[in-house]
Amino acid sequence: AQSVTQLGSHVSVSEGALVLLRCNYSSSVPPYLFWYVQYPNQGLQLLLKYTTGATLVKGINGFEAEFKKSETSFHLTKPSAHMSDAAEYFCAVSEYSSASKIIFGSGTRLSIRP
Amino acid sequence: GAVVSQHPSRVICKSGTSVKIECRSLDFQATTMFWYRQFPKKSLMLMATSNEGSKATYEQGVEKDKFLINHASLTLSTLTVTSAHPEDSSFYICSASIAGTGELFFGEGSRLTVL
Repeated sequence: AQSVTQLGSHVSVSEGALVLLRCNYSSSVPPYLFWYVQYPNQGLQLLLKYTTGATLVKGINGFEAEFKKSETSFHLTKPSAHMSDAAEYFCAVSEYSSASKIIFGSGTRLSIRP
Repeated sequence: GAVVSQHPSRVICKSGTSVKIECRSLDFQATTMFWYRQFPKKSLMLMATSNEGSKATYEQGVEKDKFLINHASLTLSTLTVTSAHPEDSSFYICSASIAGTGELFFGEGSRLTVL
């Protein structure tokens, strides 16, 4: 069985500061890992994903995440926060196969202070 | 990128009525679609996996007779909330997978309010 744990339901940073959203996963098979962003009353938008290959994955809007198998982590970072980054962020995992269901973490709400 | 569209985006209905939500993959064929439910300030809970031409697979605790799922074509899956009650009010999101990628594309979500 797969699972995802996001540490911190709410993270607040100042504009221009580093953003770090933590995610740890559990999977019995090589995982696909994802970060999604959700703005209020909207669906989910894919920020980035890890499937195979390079462990440092770059996504949209300046976000990146690093897959660390030894730590079973996939933390999301952005060097400099922007006001428009305020949203809900979900880490997710699926099996290393096609058309698999995705299991989501509980989400982290990111707030940006002026 | 691939586009998944949901309709309606918002629906308000009276208690006891049934509501149908459509999920369409606009530019690709989706043999598998997924339906999620999201409570306020909560994560997405997988309700069921919808496979084209066959019965949906429901997650534990999800009532099959309450949430009817039909996947009649490679581009359309529908979720019907039958005999809706106020506790069914929620944000319902569908997603579709492109075979071989392991990636899901999500619809915009449908907010159901049952009065």
